[in-house]
Amino acid sequence: GNSVTQMEGPVTLSEEAFLTINCTYTATGYPSLFWYVQYPGEGLQLLLKATKADDKGSNKGFEATYRKETTSFHLEKGSVQVSDSAVYFCALSDNSDYKLSFGAGTTVTVRA
Amino acid sequence: KAGVTQTPRYLIKTRGQQVTLSCSPISGHRSVSWYQQTPGQGLQFLFEYFSETQRNKGNFPGRFSGRQFSNSRSEMNVSTLELGDSALYLCASSYRTGEDTIYFGEGSWLTVV
Repeated sequence: GNSVTQMEGPVTLSEEAFLTINCTYTATGYPSLFWYVQYPGEGLQLLLKATKADDKGSNKGFEATYRKETTSFHLEKGSVQVSDSAVYFCALSDNSDYKLSFGAGTTVTVRA
Repeated sequence: KAGVTQTPRYLIKTRGQQVTLSCSPISGHRSVSWYQQTPGQGLQFLFEYFSETQRNKGNFPGRFSGRQFSNSRSEMNVSTLELGDSALYLCASSYRTGEDTIYFGEGSWLTVV
């Protein structure tokens, strides 16, 4: 079955530091890949997505590239802000079973 | 346009009771799915509906059920509540799924006491 493994947190950074959250996946076929973010007390918000190999998703300074050869979709941001403190979830959809498979989530705290 | 709307946002129930949660998808979206989020198990898929038909179901006991109406609104029901059912229940919608982006509501926080 499909599965997503992401770097476990928590991750604590200083403002303007570089952020990387690793995500690897196992899936049949060619899944779509997503990063969702969850702020305290809220639901999930789509951060970015990529639907085919070598696609780069980007949003709000965050980027992730769909790497089929390494089955990875690592999230990066060059300079984090306090407002980026949240839980980040990597997810995949294999486009046939009508569901998302999520990683365990990575809690990121950015200190001023 | 309005996002995915879930009601109620917060509720407290007693063991043995049942609960119904409601979800209104984004206008035009015909697929609605439900997820359970807990600190121990993370995000787990419950079920997905499209045009009133359940297309996939997660690994949950039969106490968890759902349905979708002709206007795409959806409800999920949990009967004979257990303490372990305490969770954030998230509804999500998309146009058709597949490569379509799935958008989530803010969730319904259920506490079972």
